[in-house]
Amino acid sequence: DTGVSQNPRHKITKRGQNVTFRCDPISEHNRLYWYRQTLGQGPEFLTYFQNEAQLEKSRLLSDRFSAERPKGSFSTLEIQRTEQGDSAMYLCASTPWGISSGNEQFFGPGTRLTVL
Amino acid sequence: AQSVTQLDSQVPVFEEAPVELRCNYSSSVSVYLFWYVQYPNQGLQLLLKYLSGSTLVKGINGFEAEFNKSQTSFHLRKPSVHISDTAEYFCAVSESGGSYIPTFGRGTSLIVHP
Repeated sequence: DTGVSQNPRHKITKRGQNVTFRCDPISEHNRLYWYRQTLGQGPEFLTYFQNEAQLEKSRLLSDRFSAERPKGSFSTLEIQRTEQGDSAMYLCASTPWGISSGNEQFFGPGTRLTVL
Repeated sequence: AQSVTQLDSQVPVFEEAPVELRCNYSSSVSVYLFWYVQYPNQGLQLLLKYLSGSTLVKGINGFEAEFNKSQTSFHLRKPSVHISDTAEYFCAVSESGGSYIPTFGRGTSLIVHP
């Protein structure tokens, strides 16, 4: 399967702990996005990379959040000092950037975070 | 700034009946429009997209949508639904000429009853 993969699929942590999620995009896709999805809501944009460069960050991405995409391949999203409000599904998507694609997103299965 | 409104949070329908899921958007520039489907505990999957050209767009699983610029709408339709169509459906819009970051609606839960 050559789709977008995310690990872990589920993470339960205690408030105050740090967590890190990984996303492996489709190999030929140069853009990678992170979203947060809470119950009853659509995905909310957090940040995106074009190759290894982080080009935009949402106001939702507080100082406790950091994302990297070394060498333009996989990406990690780290949340420091987790809070209960961080509980959500974290989705990763990749896209073969080009106007002809309209920036169609290819999503991974998500990582569900529960902060106790 | 772009925005998306999905007016119905839940749409119940009987199997083999037609269905329409409504989506309205707001933007000051040209847009690209998308419908995605999400099954439980899975990521989103593209159903169809409108970039330009014909306003009637056909997608996977028998779904289609019509872009109406004057009404700023992009409603999703299927003439006959199956139990397997039960899922969450999200409309999304991205503005052409910018960063193309999509904005998603809150979603519509389609519930197909036997």
